[in-house]
Amino acid sequence: GQNIDQPTEMTATEGAIVQINCTYQTSGFNGLFWYQQHAGEAPTFLSYNVLDGLEEKGRFSSFLSRSKGYSYLLLKELQMKDSASYLCALMDSNYQLIWGAGTKLIIKP
Amino acid sequence: IAGITQAPTSQILAAGRRMTLRCTQDMRHNAMYWYRQDLGLGLRLIHYSNTAGTTGKGEVPDGYSVSRANTDDFPLTLASAVPSQTSVYFCASSDSADRSLGEQFFGPGTRLTVL
Repeated sequence: GQNIDQPTEMTATEGAIVQINCTYQTSGFNGLFWYQQHAGEAPTFLSYNVLDGLEEKGRFSSFLSRSKGYSYLLLKELQMKDSASYLCALMDSNYQLIWGAGTKLIIKP
Repeated sequence: IAGITQAPTSQILAAGRRMTLRCTQDMRHNAMYWYRQDLGLGLRLIHYSNTAGTTGKGEVPDGYSVSRANTDDFPLTLASAVPSQTSVYFCASSDSADRSLGEQFFGPGTRLTVL
């Protein structure tokens, strides 16, 4: 089966950097995804990793280590609008997304 | 229409009643999905459809049914609602022509309360 773990909640300061970790166990792997979800809204796609290493996209970067079953999302130069939940999801061997419970990120001024 | 729409936005339903949640997309995506999202849990897949005319069961299909008569529409039906089906329901779609991308586009959600 599959299992995804990520912290329930994190707090960071505006302008700072925060790293949100995600660990997973799976028998089949076709990629690791990060989505952002503001309260009361739908999830929106942030990033996708299928090979080991770092993918950078503006203020957001995502890292993957397949051998360790580990990924992180790095957010730089935090802004108040980054307050949201960040969902880690892995794509299994059937190309279905298996979702973590999400990490609620609180940004303080 | 731009993207995915869902209706209704919210609904309060008496237990035992039948309810259909509607989902329509205009992106010509082959694959569509229904998820439920409950506090403290990740999104859980209810049913999916890889292409018009086909459907499949997800992680939590019991009590729900779907149909996919055409590319654009993917309704979700609760035959006889129970309080445990109180949740936020999201419809999503993706371009299955390139599954490795995996990006799913979500509708705004339907907040359903079963009393």
